[in-house]
Formats: sequence, structure tokens, C-alpha cells
Amino acid sequence: DAGVTQSPTHLIKTRGQHVTLRCSPISGHKSVSWYQQVLGQGPQFIFQYYEKEERGRGNFPDRFSARQFPNYSSELNVNALLLGDSALYLCASSLEAGPSYEQYFGPGTRLTVT
Amino acid sequence: AQSVTQLDSHVSVSEGTPVLLRCNYSSSYSPSLFWYVQHPNKGLQLLLKYTSAATLVKGINGFEAEFKKSETSFHLTKPSAHMSDAAEYFCVVSSRNSGGGADGLTFGKGTHLIIQP
Repeated sequence: DAGVTQSPTHLIKTRGQHVTLRCSPISGHKSVSWYQQVLGQGPQFIFQYYEKEERGRGNFPDRFSARQFPNYSSELNVNALLLGDSALYLCASSLEAGPSYEQYFGPGTRLTVT
Repeated sequence: AQSVTQLDSHVSVSEGTPVLLRCNYSSSYSPSLFWYVQHPNKGLQLLLKYTSAATLVKGINGFEAEFKKSETSFHLTKPSAHMSDAAEYFCVVSSRNSGGGADGLTFGKGTHLIIQP
């Protein structure tokens, strides 16, 4: 079975631009979460979606938004990019949205903002 | 609120000797606890999880972890280190927030495991 897939793999953007990152969960998984991993640190929680509804949000500015589609895939959007948004963006999927459900991570999208 | 403290940023052991990676957690509600491993240029892989069943949890590749509520600890161990174990290890806590929603996974800062030949 295919794992979590993310696209694109790498992305270079300029300050002030907008970016959209995409994620396809493991088949049968209904929940998708997004994380930001800055070099040398652990991932930080951005959003969790379940059945197309936002179930949780981390401490990120409103420039970050996301949505989940009927097929459970998801998009993360970041507006007005800053240099500090350069990071590895990870998507994770789980069967359900509860805290006891293990999350399986995709390979990530490496975003560089210049 | 929830948080995780990984007590060592780097741990170095010789191949064939035991591994101990230390983790303390804080959570307002009954937490689920996980260990993930991240090899260089690879994705995060789940090693094991604790969700209020047995306090000693066995994971993949010979790793195990013991949940100690009185000490709020969830240390990761392996009896005999292998060169392929060299990687970054993350202790992770997950619980609901006061509103019943999800706080997502909260990661520690990571422990870099070095295996000496």
C-alpha cells in the first residue's frame, strides 16, 4: 500500500509570495495533520483536519490556512511568505482524529524562501 | 497544555551496548505517548506508542519504552545498539485540549543517537 504522499518535493519561493502544498493520506485514513520542521528542531503542529473540518490548530499566524477535500487529501496554503517560513513541511495521516491514533508521516516538502 | 523534554540532545554508545534515550512529559489529560525516528534525509517513522494499556511497550527493531506515571517519564531503550540505529529520535505526546479538540502531536527537540564502531 502507498504511504502518505506529498507534492512538490522541493520548492523555492520569494518573500511575499504565496505557496500551496499538497498531501494525499494513506488509503482509508480520514484525518490529515500538518507540521513545520525547522532545521535542527522537532516538528511543530500547524493543523489537524478530520472529515473536512478543522479539529485543531497550532500557534501559527493567519497567513497559514488549510483545507481537506472529500477524498481526504489536503492542501496547506501560506500567504505573504517570510524568510522564517523556510522549513520542511510534513503531512501526517491517521485513521481517526483522536490522540491515541498513530500518525504516519509523508516525506515532506522542503520550502526555501529567498 | 502538553509538553515534552528530551533530556539529552546527543547520546553516543558503542555498537552492541545498551541504548537509553530519556524523555519526560507534561499533559493536562491522560496522554498518548510515542517515539519516532528520523534517519538523515528520510521521513519520520513510528517506533512505538503507549495509550494506557501495558506500561512496557515493545516497538520495532528491538526498541521498547516504559511509561512511568509517577515520574512522568517515557524512556526509550534497546539492549544492543546497531550501526543502523544512528538517527534522530523524537519523543512525542498527544492529548485532547480543554475544549475537546486536538492539540496535535507535540514533539521534543530530539536526541541525536551516535553509534561508535
